[in-house]
Amino acid sequence: EIVMTQSPATLSVSPGERATLSCRASQSVSSNLAWYQQKPGQAPRLLIYGASTRATGIPARFTGRGFGTEFTLTITSLQSEDLAVYYCQQHNSWPTFGQGTKVEIK
Amino acid sequence: QVHVVESGGGVVQPGGSLRLSCAASGFTFSDFGMHWVRQAPGKGLEWVAVIAYDGSKPYYADSVKGRFTISRDNSKNMLYLQMNSLRADDTAVYYCAKDLSVLATISLFDYWGQGTMVTVSS
Repeated sequence: EIVMTQSPATLSVSPGERATLSCRASQSVSSNLAWYQQKPGQAPRLLIYGASTRATGIPARFTGRGFGTEFTLTITSLQSEDLAVYYCQQHNSWPTFGQGTKVEIK
Repeated sequence: QVHVVESGGGVVQPGGSLRLSCAASGFTFSDFGMHWVRQAPGKGLEWVAVIAYDGSKPYYADSVKGRFTISRDNSKNMLYLQMNSLRADDTAVYYCAKDLSVLATISLFDYWGQGTMVTVSS
């Protein structure tokens, strides 16, 4: 099983600032990495797949980068509606998720 | 517009059984693999099972293998999860999720239902 590790566990960011979330895989997943956003009380929503491709309808302020074992999700100009837990997920083999990063609005 | 709606959750005693259903609409159901993903209270996401677009190739997480069975009825646009020998650590919200890829299964989840809660407790 590929273990996904996210950091930090919690990120507190002021509106308009940049948030950078990290995800590390225990072995290479190539570019088979996705990011999901889960707002309180809601189902997850696909944000990014293929490490850097935004899903349909996702705003350009969400940017994914990385390859192999190291990945980042950057939210530029954070908005209050971005309050959520963000999960990375590899699909290079049987899918596994990271434990999540909670983004708080400062 | 794509919709997936889960049902069938509830409270069940340890060792008991439960069958979850997922009704899909707004897309050609028979062209897409489908998954179940669960989330224990206050915890992260755990993939549970997948079934290919044609009902073949069911695969399971090790934590549920031999106890859960995924199936689908393409004539009814329905996905199912039969859960037997339930344990306390199966307590979770169970989500039905559509695979992104047409006629293939790549384990990217582009549409999710709102989930159905399963509680295993005596």
